[in-house]
Amino acid sequence: GAVVSQHPSWVICKSGTSVKIECRSLDFQATTMFWYRQFPKQSLMLMATSNEGSKATYEQGVEKDKFLINHASLTLSTLTVTSAHPEDSSFYICSARDASQGETQYFGPGTRLLVL
Amino acid sequence: DAKTTQPPSMDCAEGRAANLPCNHSTISGNEYVYWYRQIHSQGPQYIIHGLKNNETNEMASLIITEDRKSSTLILPHATLRDTAVYYCISYTGFQKLVFGTGTRLLVSP
Repeated sequence: GAVVSQHPSWVICKSGTSVKIECRSLDFQATTMFWYRQFPKQSLMLMATSNEGSKATYEQGVEKDKFLINHASLTLSTLTVTSAHPEDSSFYICSARDASQGETQYFGPGTRLLVL
Repeated sequence: DAKTTQPPSMDCAEGRAANLPCNHSTISGNEYVYWYRQIHSQGPQYIIHGLKNNETNEMASLIITEDRKSSTLILPHATLRDTAVYYCISYTGFQKLVFGTGTRLLVSP
């Protein structure tokens, strides 16, 4: 149980284009989903927290207009990187939590984004 | 900043027990101790968590000291696939998970 998937697993795009990453909880309802970013040789950094049906809460320094988050259902959240630039190249990881089952976050496998 | 401290790296022979320490001397009463691991190029994997009592599951055991200022994650029979970065995090649901630098465990044949 507690499986989280992400799609795509990797993506290469041209500078200036937008990229959408999906995060799904496969066997539980995720009341809250989280988006993290990890640069090479660094630890995970939280970007934003989203609760189903409400606007996401972004961490300081994360541009909400650049990283659009939608959490329209209890099993799906999407992160759209708009007008991507090479410095947005990173490993994007989502996690999901069912608050009724405790506080444990379960992580997806990650999406590697390369912006050329 | 992470509220836990861990050794940057550890080695373990395959088949032996791996004992990964974590110091969380400023942990508050309602914070759990969580352990995750991250195998190269993958998302973090939940291992185990506990509040006061020692915990065991199919992956590992968690030993928490009585004063809760430190804990040890035990992998009873390490395999090569256990090579990963292990993160110890003190956390409640009202906080965000803060990943420190973790312990890089290398399991060798």
